[in-house]
Amino acid sequence: NAGVTQTPKFQVLKTGQSMTLQCAQDMNHEYMSWYRQDPGMGLRLIHYSVGAGITDQGEVPNGYNVSRSTTEDFPLRLLSAAPSQTSVYFCASSQGGTNTGELFFGEGSRLTVL
Amino acid sequence: EDQVTQSPEALRLQEGESSSLNCSYTVSGLRGLFWYRQDPGKGPEFLFTLYSAGEEKEKERLKATLTKKESFLHITAPKPEDSATYLCAVSPLSTNAGKSTFGDGTTLTVKP
Repeated sequence: NAGVTQTPKFQVLKTGQSMTLQCAQDMNHEYMSWYRQDPGMGLRLIHYSVGAGITDQGEVPNGYNVSRSTTEDFPLRLLSAAPSQTSVYFCASSQGGTNTGELFFGEGSRLTVL
Repeated sequence: EDQVTQSPEALRLQEGESSSLNCSYTVSGLRGLFWYRQDPGKGPEFLFTLYSAGEEKEKERLKATLTKKESFLHITAPKPEDSATYLCAVSPLSTNAGKSTFGDGTTLTVKP
């Protein structure tokens, strides 16, 4: 079982460039989410999805876009990268609904914006 | 607004020196409180879920407890391999089960 797979693991962008962070899960989980983690800080929720075709904003959504066309995939798009988006990004999934809510995380994507 | 505060930010222990990590929370109806372990350069790994005050869960040298306002992660006779950042999170009843608010974490270092 692969669990949650994120690509790429590392990326360097120039200010203004766009890119997509990929996330796929093979556990048939309803719920998927993106968090960012900055040094010395906890995880902050960017966007989440409770099922295919349904997405919503988290705590820090500005500058990011998401879509969920399948249960398995939940890509995160940076439309015009800014240095403030330098961070480590984690994708996570959960059974969702009224279940217990424990999250399963990917290994992270480390993004540097110059 | 849901809030999670963890203390201390960092904890250094000698091997075998037991201690506790604290997680204080405010949430409008608790679905579950979660503890995760995060190793450097890795994603968080789920440890425990606690649902109601008075509940306890154990795994090897770790024991998690829950009251109505805080949770403790007790580490008994720690070993160097217990060194990691420990994250606490809460999920409220009012949202989808997967939506969690995280604390900033406690970084534990265990010296041999």
